[in-house]
Amino acid sequence: DTGVSQNPRHKITKRGQNVTFRCDPISEHNRLYWYRQTLGQGPEFLTYFQNEAQLEKSRLLSDRFSAERPKGSFSTLEIQRTEQGDSAMYLCASSFEAGFSTDTQYFGPGTRLTVL
Amino acid sequence: AQTVTQSQPEMSVQEAETVTLSCTYDTSESDYYLFWYKQPPSRQMILVIRQEAYKQQNATENRFSVNFQKAAKSFSLKISDSQLGDAAMYFCAYKKGAGNMLTFGGGTRLMVKP
Repeated sequence: DTGVSQNPRHKITKRGQNVTFRCDPISEHNRLYWYRQTLGQGPEFLTYFQNEAQLEKSRLLSDRFSAERPKGSFSTLEIQRTEQGDSAMYLCASSFEAGFSTDTQYFGPGTRLTVL
Repeated sequence: AQTVTQSQPEMSVQEAETVTLSCTYDTSESDYYLFWYKQPPSRQMILVIRQEAYKQQNATENRFSVNFQKAAKSFSLKISDSQLGDAAMYFCAYKKGAGNMLTFGGGTRLMVKP
């Protein structure tokens, strides 16, 4: 069983460019989460999917950010017109939730974005 | 809104000794979950231990145990027989029972001295 994978691991871009990150969750997991982590801080929630439906978005997710999870498998996070303040580690996590049970969220290695 | 506070930015422990990392949280919920995650340098975050709020018994995973004080809203992590591989950032996290997102504290950097 492979864990959560993310690509690319590192991305350097110039301000104003668009970037897209990919997350492949653990195969049987129905929930997928995106978090952002700035240096020296704990991760902050951005958004999550239940299968292919995006059910919650943080106010941190400005309109320059868009996330998709077509077919309820992998997910992409796109940032348009990047700004230097977008520089951070973007973490993806997945879990299996059914009924009243709460599974653990398993994290990927993250994509580190540097905006010059 | 729920908040999680880790008051120790850095901690240091001698190899083979015991260290306790502190975490407090604020919530008005009665059903929730608490987690400790470990994030080694340049490596991904992994779960250390989890605690369901409805369980009175403190969770234990090998050398890792928690002291869960529900009334005080405190959730500390004890690492026994510390090893060099325990050196990492440790994050305390909260999840509302019916909620979805994790709320993390600011982290504690643990250094282990040989």
